[in-house]
Amino acid sequence: DAGITQSPRHKVTETGTPVTLRCHQTENHRYMYWYRQDPGHGLRLIHYSYGVKDTDKGEVSDGYSVSRSKTEDFLLTLESATSSQTSVYFCAIRDSDRRNEKLFFGSGTQLSVL
Amino acid sequence: QQQVKQSPQSLIVQKGGISIINCAYENTAFDYFPWYQQFPGKGPALLIAIRPDVSEKKEGRFTISFNKSAKQFSLHIMDSQPGDSATYFCAATEPGQLTFGSGTQLTVLP
Repeated sequence: DAGITQSPRHKVTETGTPVTLRCHQTENHRYMYWYRQDPGHGLRLIHYSYGVKDTDKGEVSDGYSVSRSKTEDFLLTLESATSSQTSVYFCAIRDSDRRNEKLFFGSGTQLSVL
Repeated sequence: QQQVKQSPQSLIVQKGGISIINCAYENTAFDYFPWYQQFPGKGPALLIAIRPDVSEKKEGRFTISFNKSAKQFSLHIMDSQPGDSATYFCAATEPGQLTFGSGTQLTVLP
């Protein structure tokens, strides 16, 4: 999966607990993204990063925060997980060609919030 | 609001048939239209893409047809095979932003 590792692959947690998902890349790409995938909604952007310590909100950012302290790592945190955040989370990195928005995706993290 | 509308939600095709998935958009700033293919347990992967200055792009059995005036584009899979069974997402981009359709689950029967 294009040098992208997501961890954990599966996570079950309880409502109200904090959860951190990790995305690690070996491609040295500048842009990194977090998406969530839900039936009937496709892939929706949560947050993205365009460099170390440079992040911005996506379409569905409420309840999520991110951090990027190194080029290779992009963390997604659910400060207090809710059942509505049960989803499959995908990290993606972008090819450096700005006119070609080709994304490479990781294999996803299945998160269940009980 | 959904900026890229995709249909159908699911599609069942016999082996050897043609699979057609349609997408429509409103934002005229979109300038790149990729299709992603996703197998169960995997992340989406780029399948084929088109720019709005051409009306068709073909790669093997996969063809994108693009109608700029109607703001519609579609994916055609010729001679569909069971191995094509997957979820397909259309997408549209403007600089810095990629928007996905809701996905089509394609099943090709042997």
